[in-house]
Amino acid sequence: NAGVTQTPKFRILKIGQSMTLQCTQDMNHNYMYWYRQDPGMGLKLIYYSVGAGITDKGEVPNGYNVSRSTTEDFPLRLELAAPSQTSVYFCASSATSKSSYEQYFGPGTRLTVT
Amino acid sequence: QQQVKQSPQSLIVQKGGISIINCAYENTAFDYFPWYQQFPGKGPALLIAIRPDVSEKKEGRFTISFNKSAKQFSLHIMDSQPGDSATYFCAASLGGFNKFYFGSGTKLNVKP
Repeated sequence: NAGVTQTPKFRILKIGQSMTLQCTQDMNHNYMYWYRQDPGMGLKLIYYSVGAGITDKGEVPNGYNVSRSTTEDFPLRLELAAPSQTSVYFCASSATSKSSYEQYFGPGTRLTVT
Repeated sequence: QQQVKQSPQSLIVQKGGISIINCAYENTAFDYFPWYQQFPGKGPALLIAIRPDVSEKKEGRFTISFNKSAKQFSLHIMDSQPGDSATYFCAASLGGFNKFYFGSGTKLNVKP
């Protein structure tokens, strides 16, 4: 049971390039989330999904896109990368149980846009 | 508008002391208040959580105190240990599953 895995761990992008951050969970969780973490700013929700085929915007969705074709995978797409997207990105998942709302986080992807 | 405000930004405590981190929230509809612990290079991990129908929850050395009328909650770490040195985030959510709002984090350093 690997939990939540993210690839790549590190990436440097040039302004205007695009890339996809991969996220996979093997816990059969319906809920998945993408956050960005900036220094001193905590975590901001980018997008979330309540199940395959269903996604919704979080606090800071501009410049990003997501898709959820399977329960396991929730990729985050950056189009036309900008320096403001330099951050650490975390994917998380949670089960649909009212006894526990615990979110399980992946190890993160550190992205630098120059 | 920041939904959850956390303080202090950093905290230094001697081994064996008590670490206290505070959070305040705006939305009275929030119904779930977790605390996450994050070590360098790792993702956050759930430490302890509380719902607004109780005023305190204790798990080992970690206690959440919740004041619904003041819209505040805090994390107390008793007998702090060097292994507790990490960044701590409070959070709040509506309905549990969807939008979580995180505080800005507190970097705790427990000196031996």
